[in-house]
Amino acid sequence: GQNIDQPTEMTATEGAIVQINCTYQTSGFNGLFWYQQHAGEAPTFLSYNVLDGLEEKGRFSSFLSRSKGYSYLLLKELQMKDSASYLCAPGSSGNTPLVFGKGTRLSVIA
Amino acid sequence: DTGVSQDPRHKITKRGQNVTFRCDPISEHNRLYWYRQTLGQGPEFLTYFQNEAQLEKSRLLSDRFSAERPKGSFSTLEIQRTEQGDSAMYLCASTELAGGPPDTQYFGPGTRLTVL
Repeated sequence: GQNIDQPTEMTATEGAIVQINCTYQTSGFNGLFWYQQHAGEAPTFLSYNVLDGLEEKGRFSSFLSRSKGYSYLLLKELQMKDSASYLCAPGSSGNTPLVFGKGTRLSVIA
Repeated sequence: DTGVSQDPRHKITKRGQNVTFRCDPISEHNRLYWYRQTLGQGPEFLTYFQNEAQLEKSRLLSDRFSAERPKGSFSTLEIQRTEQGDSAMYLCASTELAGGPPDTQYFGPGTRLTVL
């Protein structure tokens, strides 16, 4: 089975930095996905980590520790448009369907 | 082809009616997934296809639900005798299945179903 835990809600100020954590327990783990989902819209791909460490992509970075079953998404220079839910999803070998966490709803305030 | 498309985007129906949704994946993506999402939850897996073969169905998929992908391209999801608990966003995703690490799943805009 799979168990994914991430905070339900977070609030941060425009221009600040926020870190969204995700812990997971899954069999056949083969990388971790982060998706962004604005209210009423479909999830959009943000990042995929297969190796331990930090991967930076513009204002967004994602970190993975396979041994700890832990990942985080780091958002820098927050903008109002970053207000959305952020979904953590560990991937398994064989392209089996993703199991998503409940998502972290981020509110960016002025 | 710019992405996964789904039709309709919104569907309102009365309890007991049948509904059918369509998903057109990204061209040449051989894996197609259906998920369901309710408010405050992440997407939950329903079923998936590799080409025209349905490989797995979730226990969430009761016998009122059926999905097809007859020619390995577009897929349909039918819900018979809808219930109010079926109200949700139905998401379709596709991936190329290039082998190796999991391939990114690309989602369509979803079909929002409301059962009255």
